[in-house]
Amino acid sequence: RKEVEQDPGPFNVPEGATVAFNCTYSNSASQSFFWYRQDCRKEPKLLMSVYSSGNEDGRFTAQLNRASQYISLLIRDSKLSDSATYLCVVNWISGGYNKLIFGAGTRLAVHP
Amino acid sequence: EADIYQTPRYLVIGTGKKITLECSQTMGHDKMYWYQQDPGMELHLIHYSYGVNSTEKGDLSSESTVSRIRTEHFPLTLESARPSHTSQYLCASSGSLGGAQYEQYFGPGTRLTVT
Repeated sequence: RKEVEQDPGPFNVPEGATVAFNCTYSNSASQSFFWYRQDCRKEPKLLMSVYSSGNEDGRFTAQLNRASQYISLLIRDSKLSDSATYLCVVNWISGGYNKLIFGAGTRLAVHP
Repeated sequence: EADIYQTPRYLVIGTGKKITLECSQTMGHDKMYWYQQDPGMELHLIHYSYGVNSTEKGDLSSESTVSRIRTEHFPLTLESARPSHTSQYLCASSGSLGGAQYEQYFGPGTRLTVT
């Protein structure tokens, strides 16, 4: 089983739609969680950090369920510019060693 | 925008050549990382450093080596490039203090092609 699992998609949605991505992680010791966005052939860029049960930033809402080891990202009112791959990232800390584990990503395509 | 830079952005080189990929950051971050990513595939950590004179190998075995002589600089070297080294190499850094210390910021990457 992979340490971080995501639905690879692609999710094809019309502009204005609401779309949700799910992510599960296997290590219960994980303490910090992130969503990154990666455009084709570009570097990943930090979208949101999730340090508690969840947070909201404009059209984007992230939720964390530690008991189920599950993270979600909700995008409301999708824009064409939201088309990208969304990476679920889990931070695992042990003995001072910090490791980010990246999921394989979920592709989103927003069409007119 | 994160202040982390990589050069060159694109490199096409013949088999057997020695190459160094440069990475520098101006954020004063103590932690730096190198990832390898093939098109459409996931990121794999190949090297990391928690400070000057500290380097460790990551999860993916790599024939490359790294050095960290200065806080802001984390170059990656391939002594003898092979076609199997063709990939995108991404450098990242993260800070040392506060709740945001685990957030990694990426450079634009170097796309390496070995012919």
